[in-house]
Amino acid sequence: AQKITQTQPGMFVQEKEAVTLDCTYDTSDPSYGLFWYKQPSSGEMIFLIYQGSYDQQNATEGRYSLNFQKARKSANLVISASQLGDSAMYFCAMRGNSGYSTLTFGKGTMLLVSP
Amino acid sequence: DVKVTQSSRYLVKRTGEKVFLECVQDMDHENMFWYRQDPGLGLRLIYFSYDVKMKEKGDIPEGYSVSREKKERFSLILESASTNQTSMYLCASMEQGQHYQPQHFGDGTRLSIL
Repeated sequence: AQKITQTQPGMFVQEKEAVTLDCTYDTSDPSYGLFWYKQPSSGEMIFLIYQGSYDQQNATEGRYSLNFQKARKSANLVISASQLGDSAMYFCAMRGNSGYSTLTFGKGTMLLVSP
Repeated sequence: DVKVTQSSRYLVKRTGEKVFLECVQDMDHENMFWYRQDPGLGLRLIYFSYDVKMKEKGDIPEGYSVSREKKERFSLILESASTNQTSMYLCASMEQGQHYQPQHFGDGTRLSIL
């Protein structure tokens, strides 16, 4: 079984500062993928970034980067230079090696960016 | 861009009614998924389908059924709606076999059962 833990129910950050959203995972699969999604108050889920378990480098997508520490089973999302539009729920998710393409999600972290 | 369309953004139904939530994707994806989202619980998988007429139970299938008669359409059915099924429902699709591919989500349906 897979498990995703997001320990921060809510985070506050000031505009233009960087913020780290924590995600730890547990799996017995040797190969897996980790995803981060953003959900604004309007409800749609927006894919942000992906990290494969065998990727040598941390993933980056614009202002988003993933701090992947395999030995610690952590995959923290780093948002640089926060913007007001970054205020949203953020979900960490994992896909294992089961043959199906299902995702296991964490409970999410609410990020609020203040001016 | 992948487009996943859910038939309703908001829906209000009565206890005991049969409720249909429809989801259509335009990218010929083999895999489709239904989740429900509740505050403090994240997203939980109800059912998924990896091909037409194929379905698999997710983590919380009780009280729900699904139908996939065509590749682009995946329907979630509440056979006899109950108040504890009031929730946000999200549909997603993705391409088969690509480990790194994300699931693409619709805008969600906020369902209230009175």
